[in-house]
Amino acid sequence: SQTIHQWPATLVQPVGSPLSLECTVEGTSNPNLYWYRQAAGRGLQLLFYSVGIGQISSEVPQNLSASRPQDRQFILSSKKLLLSDSGFYLCAWNVEGASTNEKLFFGSGTQLSVL
Amino acid sequence: QKEVEQDPGPLSVPEGAIVSLNCTYSNSAFQYFMWYRQYSRKGPELLMYTYSSGNKEDGRFTAQVDKSSKYISLFIRDSQPSDSATYLCASPGGSYIPTFGRGTSLIVHP
Repeated sequence: SQTIHQWPATLVQPVGSPLSLECTVEGTSNPNLYWYRQAAGRGLQLLFYSVGIGQISSEVPQNLSASRPQDRQFILSSKKLLLSDSGFYLCAWNVEGASTNEKLFFGSGTQLSVL
Repeated sequence: QKEVEQDPGPLSVPEGAIVSLNCTYSNSAFQYFMWYRQYSRKGPELLMYTYSSGNKEDGRFTAQVDKSSKYISLFIRDSQPSDSATYLCASPGGSYIPTFGRGTSLIVHP
């Protein structure tokens, strides 16, 4: 069965510090991978998605970047965090195809507080 | 106008009540519809998935789609305090990336 791992669960970082959030998927090959942010009381905002190694699409230009160094690894980074980067970050995956019909599966999330 | 609209709530009901959660969508290309349940500080989990118009039942949960009015609903029978969560509706539309509603917060009190 497929599983998705996301860490850390909670992170408190000072303004201006770097960020690295990691996500890995097990039990599937060539998944589509996603990073979402969920601000308090707001919906899911798609930040980045990737359909393959080294292929990153950005939905919202901002202080963050993403990389996919391996097939089942997705990393969200920032060189200098801003207060506005605080939020709940979610990694997700799916497999495009008729059998799965684009169902999206989420990790457990990282609560990031920038102080 | 957002493509998927949901009332954020909160919706507060007593234990045992029938809950109705609703979404409207604007894109006629939407063919598949999903409901996710998200507990506080957790990732959303896929609860229900439906393709066609009509009802789909899974235990206490029923998903209903009315494509003529672009309206989707999730009914929860015999609601329990453990059902307290945020419920998000979503649809992939014409791509493999789902469009999500903002979510409706549900509180079931004993």
